[in-house]
Amino acid sequence: RKEVEQDPGPFNVPEGATVAFNCTYSNSASQSFFWYRQDCRKEPKLLMSVYSSGNEDGRFTAQLNRASQYISLLIRDSKLSDSATYLCVVNQAGGYQKVTFGIGTKLQVIP
Amino acid sequence: DADVTQTPRNRITKTGKRIMLECSQTKGHDRMYWYRQDPGLGLRLIYYSFDVKDINKGEISDGYSVSRQAQAKFSLSLESAIPNQTALYFCATSDASKAYNEQFFGPGTRLTVL
Repeated sequence: RKEVEQDPGPFNVPEGATVAFNCTYSNSASQSFFWYRQDCRKEPKLLMSVYSSGNEDGRFTAQLNRASQYISLLIRDSKLSDSATYLCVVNQAGGYQKVTFGIGTKLQVIP
Repeated sequence: DADVTQTPRNRITKTGKRIMLECSQTKGHDRMYWYRQDPGLGLRLIYYSFDVKDINKGEISDGYSVSRQAQAKFSLSLESAIPNQTALYFCATSDASKAYNEQFFGPGTRLTVL
C-alpha cells in the first residue's frame, strides 16, 4: 500500500459545482497534513494546512479524519482558475519529519 | 519578496555529462530539499539538509550528490547524467521553527538527458 494515495482523476466539473477530493495515508503516526496546488509545469504552492478540527479558507474546506486515516479537500463554487492538480502532503513525526507527497488529483473546471 | 530561485530553468545535456543545478533562497529558512517529479510518480525526495554542511539522503539519492556550503544555497549535481534522470527538479525550503514544516518550492528546473 502506498504511504499516501490519491485518485489521479481527472475530475471534470462545470463552473459553479462543488467538488471533493480524498487522500488516504497509511502511517498512523502522521502528524501534519497539507494540500498543495500545482499548475501545469509549475511549482507546487501551499493551498492550506489541515488541522484536526478542520479548517476553511474562502471556498476551500479541509478536513482530517484520523480514525479512518484520510484528509479531504472540498471546493465550492468552482472557478475556471481552480483548474490544477491538487497534491496531498503528509508529515510524519520525528526529527526529520518525513514528508510524503501524493501523486496529485487533477481538476479541470469547464465553462 | 522572499523567494526560492533555481538555475538553470531548463537544461538539455548528453549522457555522461556532469551537471549542477543551483538553488538559492532569501527566506532565511534552515532546511532545504531537492525533489524530482516524474509523471505518475509524484514528488520524490533526493536529498535534504537541515543546516550548512548537513547532508542527508532521501529515497532516490543514487546518481546524485549535493552541497550546502551556505544557508541560502543548496546545489544538486549529477556526476554522470543518464536518460532516466530526465525529469522536473524542484528545490524546496522549510523553517525548522514552524510546527507544521510547510515547504516552499522554487520554480523548477526541467532537465533533459539525451
